[in-house]
Amino acid sequence: EIVLTQSPATLSLSPGERATLSCRASQSVSSNLAWYQQKPGQAPRLLIYDASNRATGIPARFSGSGSGTDFTLTISSLEPEDFAVYYCQQRYKWPLTFGGGTKVEIK
Amino acid sequence: EVQLLESGGVLVQTGESLRLSCAASGFTFRNYAMTWVRQAPGKGMEWVSGINNRGDSIYYADSVKGRFTISRDNSKNTLYLQMNSLRAEDTALYYCAKNFADLPHQPFDYWGQGTRVTVSS
Repeated sequence: EIVLTQSPATLSLSPGERATLSCRASQSVSSNLAWYQQKPGQAPRLLIYDASNRATGIPARFSGSGSGTDFTLTISSLEPEDFAVYYCQQRYKWPLTFGGGTKVEIK
Repeated sequence: EVQLLESGGVLVQTGESLRLSCAASGFTFRNYAMTWVRQAPGKGMEWVSGINNRGDSIYYADSVKGRFTISRDNSKNTLYLQMNSLRAEDTALYYCAKNFADLPHQPFDYWGQGTRVTVSS
């Protein structure tokens, strides 16, 4: 099973600041990595697929990069609605797996 | 508008069975793979099972293999998860998710609100 390790576990930032979230895979997943956002009490929302492609309706402040084992989700300037938990997920190999999540909280 | 509405989650005892349903609307159900993902209380996401658009390619997490069965009825636009021999560790919010395309390894572009399963000993 491919293990995804997200860091940091919690990121404390202020609105307007840049957020950089990391996801590291235990083996290469090529570019087959997605990022999801989950707010309290809500279902997850797809943000980025195949490492760097924004999903429909996702603002341009969200961007993804990386390939192989190291991936990054960047939020260029945090809006109040961006404070949430973010998960990475690989689809390169069965079973599909998620990272443990990074919580972006208001500082 | 894509809508996924899960149902069937209840409180059950260890060893009992349960069937979850997910009613889909707003897209051509028979063209897309579907997936179940669960989230234990206060925990992260765990992929459970996926099924292709035709229902003839199915995958399971090791934690549920042999106990859970995913299926779909394309005439009813409904996805199912039959859960047998339930354990305390199956307690979670179960989400139904639509895959990007016809294969179950594709990203999950729409999610339902979830149905809660609680397994008590």
